[in-house]
Amino acid sequence: AQKITQTQPGMFVQEKEAVTLDCTYDTSDQSYGLFWYKQPSSGEMIFLIYQGSYDEQNATEGRYSLNFQKARKSANLVISASQLGDSAMYFCAMRDMNYGGSQGNLIFGKGTKLSVKP
Amino acid sequence: KAGVTQTPRYLIKTRGQQVTLSCSPISGHRSVSWYQQTPGQGLQFLFEYFSETQRNKGNFPGRFSGRQFSNSRSEMNVSTLELGDSALYLCASSLAEGLANEKLFFGSGTQLSVL
Repeated sequence: AQKITQTQPGMFVQEKEAVTLDCTYDTSDQSYGLFWYKQPSSGEMIFLIYQGSYDEQNATEGRYSLNFQKARKSANLVISASQLGDSAMYFCAMRDMNYGGSQGNLIFGKGTKLSVKP
Repeated sequence: KAGVTQTPRYLIKTRGQQVTLSCSPISGHRSVSWYQQTPGQGLQFLFEYFSETQRNKGNFPGRFSGRQFSNSRSEMNVSTLELGDSALYLCASSLAEGLANEKLFFGSGTQLSVL
């Protein structure tokens, strides 16, 4: 069965420093997609970055980059130059692409609560 | 462009009652998915609707049901509420173009408390 593991329940980072949030996944499928979402206290899940299993380059979106190590089944999120507004829950998620057309089912990890200190 | 809208934002019910939650997807999005979020279990997939048909379903009892209307708006219903149903219920919409990198756009959720 597919599974996402986030081993850091909480992380602290100093403002303007970089931080890495860990994510490992387990799947027997060759085709899958990996996502990171941010959930502020308002509750809304905000898409941050995507990495496909066949993508050879690590994904980047502004201050966010994904450190994808396929052999280790690892998809860590790196946030550069942390800002106070980055304080939130961060979720790693996976989609199995062989899902018969269904796109809505993401498997989520338990999340990491990031706190940015001024 | 308006985001995903969920109503109501907060809801308090008692055990045994039923509840209906509403979700209006982003205009043009054809797929609506529902998730339950609790501190203990995290985010769990409930079901997905596409073109008024349930396309996928998570591992939840039959008390949890949903539907989608022709305008893509969706409702989910929980009957015979239990204390364990207290959770944040998130709705997400997507274009459903079948692309690998298709993002889900989430609403702010409905916080349901069962007393």
